[in-house]
Amino acid sequence: GDSVTQMEGPVTLSEEAFLTINCTYTATGYPSLFWYVQYPGEGLQLLLKATKADDKGSNKGFEATYRKETTSFHLEKGSVQVSDSAVYFCALSDRGNTDKLIFGTGTRLQVFP
Amino acid sequence: DARVTQTPRHKVTEMGQEVTMRCQPILGHNTVFWYRQTMMQGLELLAYFRNRAPLDDSGMPKDRFSAEMPDATLATLKIQPSEPRDSAVYFCASGYLEGQGTFYGYTFGSGTRLTVV
Repeated sequence: GDSVTQMEGPVTLSEEAFLTINCTYTATGYPSLFWYVQYPGEGLQLLLKATKADDKGSNKGFEATYRKETTSFHLEKGSVQVSDSAVYFCALSDRGNTDKLIFGTGTRLQVFP
Repeated sequence: DARVTQTPRHKVTEMGQEVTMRCQPILGHNTVFWYRQTMMQGLELLAYFRNRAPLDDSGMPKDRFSAEMPDATLATLKIQPSEPRDSAVYFCASGYLEGQGTFYGYTFGSGTRLTVV
């Protein structure tokens, strides 16, 4: 079945460091890919998305590129801030198949001043 | 901004009691999901609906959980009887899907934190 694999956390960085959170997926169809962010005590917020191969999603300085050849959708940010500390979830929705939103296990990011 | 509204935000109940969680999806959205989040299992899909019809509830313990959409503005998740292992945060999410048209993602509510003692 469809699945998403994320790197284990926590990821601990100093402010202004470069961030990469790896995400790979397995899907039988042609999925849309998402990154969601969850701040403490809150629900999940859509951070960015990509709906087809080579699309780049971007928002708030974060970006991720849909790589079909490597089945990956890695999240990157050039300079993290303390306010970026949260849990980040990679997810896929297999359009045309089930449309279910399947999540990875989440990666906690901690940014220190 | 349009939002998904979940009630109650917090619920503490005794084992064996019935629990009902409610979700008001964003107006015009035709797809509703229920997820459960725990430290051990992460985010688990319990059930989802399209145009109020249940599409998949295979992730839900059938003997005690039930999910319904009595109308387009309300989705409910019931647990009867509740058990301590049901303690978790329950999220509702909604979105609009039609055929192969543009898909904008799902919007999540703030969740119901359930504690069963």
